[in-house]
Amino acid sequence: DAGVIQSPRHEVTEMGQEVTLRCKPISGHDYLFWYRQTMMRGLELLIYFNNNVPIDDSGMPEDRFSAKMPNASFSTLKIQPSEPRDSAVYFCASTPRMRTNEQFFGPGTRLTVL
Amino acid sequence: GQNIDQPTEMTATEGAIVQINCTYQTSGFNGLFWYQQHAGEAPTFLSYNVLDGLEEKGRFSSFLSRSKGYSYLLLKELQMKDSASYLCAVEPHAGKSTFGDGTTLTVKP
Repeated sequence: DAGVIQSPRHEVTEMGQEVTLRCKPISGHDYLFWYRQTMMRGLELLIYFNNNVPIDDSGMPEDRFSAKMPNASFSTLKIQPSEPRDSAVYFCASTPRMRTNEQFFGPGTRLTVL
Repeated sequence: GQNIDQPTEMTATEGAIVQINCTYQTSGFNGLFWYQQHAGEAPTFLSYNVLDGLEEKGRFSSFLSRSKGYSYLLLKELQMKDSASYLCAVEPHAGKSTFGDGTTLTVKP
């Protein structure tokens, strides 16, 4: 398996622009997680899905952030409008929870908002 | 709220043993994870503890005491490649992990 796939790997955008991050989980994994990592705040869980349904979005910082999972093989995290404080590395992770609690992380998207 | 504490930095010598501690206070407990993260890379899973005691996996072991809200990661026979950040994470309930800030381990020759 190719592992969790994220795109783009790097994104540089200007304040106010819309940003869409994409994730393809490992096939057969029924949980998908979106994390954000910064030096100041560490690794934070933003939202997670089970069988494509959002279960807990309490970590989403504000209404500018939204996440969707239209099917088992694709999820998006959207920021609209983006702000400089959104600059971070965004990780997607998936797990086949019934078999293991291990989360498999994607390579991350490094977002820079100017 | 959730609170996870681990030392910010540690230094050890190649070939030695190092213990990284993690204490936690959470509203519930469904398990504790340790992840390794090299600079510029994604976290990778090391261990998972849900019952008290020691879990051993090669050079890495993880211990849990739920009554004390305490865990440690033990790394034996340290190698230079073990230089990384080690993240302790607790699941207050299934699916939702809270991560500590990580311990940056530097292994010196």
